[in-house]
Amino acid sequence: DTEVTQTPKHLVMGMTNKKSLKCEQHMGHRAMYWYKQKAKKPPELMFVYSYEKLSINESVPSRFSPECPNSSLLNLHLHALQPEDSALYLCASSQAPGQFSPLHFGNGTRLTVT
Amino acid sequence: GNSVTQMEGPVTLSEEAFLTINCTYTATGYPSLFWYVQYPGEGLQLLLKATKADDKGSNKGFEATYRKETTSFHLEKGSVQVSDSAVYFCALNYNQGGKLIFGQGTELSVKP
Repeated sequence: DTEVTQTPKHLVMGMTNKKSLKCEQHMGHRAMYWYKQKAKKPPELMFVYSYEKLSINESVPSRFSPECPNSSLLNLHLHALQPEDSALYLCASSQAPGQFSPLHFGNGTRLTVT
Repeated sequence: GNSVTQMEGPVTLSEEAFLTINCTYTATGYPSLFWYVQYPGEGLQLLLKATKADDKGSNKGFEATYRKETTSFHLEKGSVQVSDSAVYFCALNYNQGGKLIFGQGTELSVKP
């Protein structure tokens, strides 16, 4: 069982909808991440939160808006998405944002934009 | 820049065969190296890691040794099972605020 929990598991939304993806961890980790994964490709980093502050934004379009309400929670707010945004969205956490702390991934939210 | 190159798949093996998945990296310093596994319909699971040269990571019968001289971190298992069928990702992490650099992934299929 994964220790990073993501909800919902599946989401279908229209291009005018607003929805949110949620991620939770209770391992006391202080870094949290959003990745996007297309089929048969490696995950691509979107955002990193370090000690609840946004530390990395990989030039992600503004229709994706991250939020870190506290050290255990991470949200990704979605608005006016495009069909090409359909993908598996993975949340991850690590003890700290350095190179020695492995990332622990959730099982992802499979998003379909219609 | 930093990068990871993995052998291309898919790799198809019979049960109990020996597995090697090659991984080489390019980095300006001394990164940490990881192998992740992704089973169908799931997220990525950390399989093993190594944080310095000559470290050997091991887990569930899988092993990989951090070879600085050849900039490699090849994944091996002596006897694969059908349940090992998955996609395997090699990754490095070097001084970039926790950002993982992934290889392209290698799909493994093990037949009974």
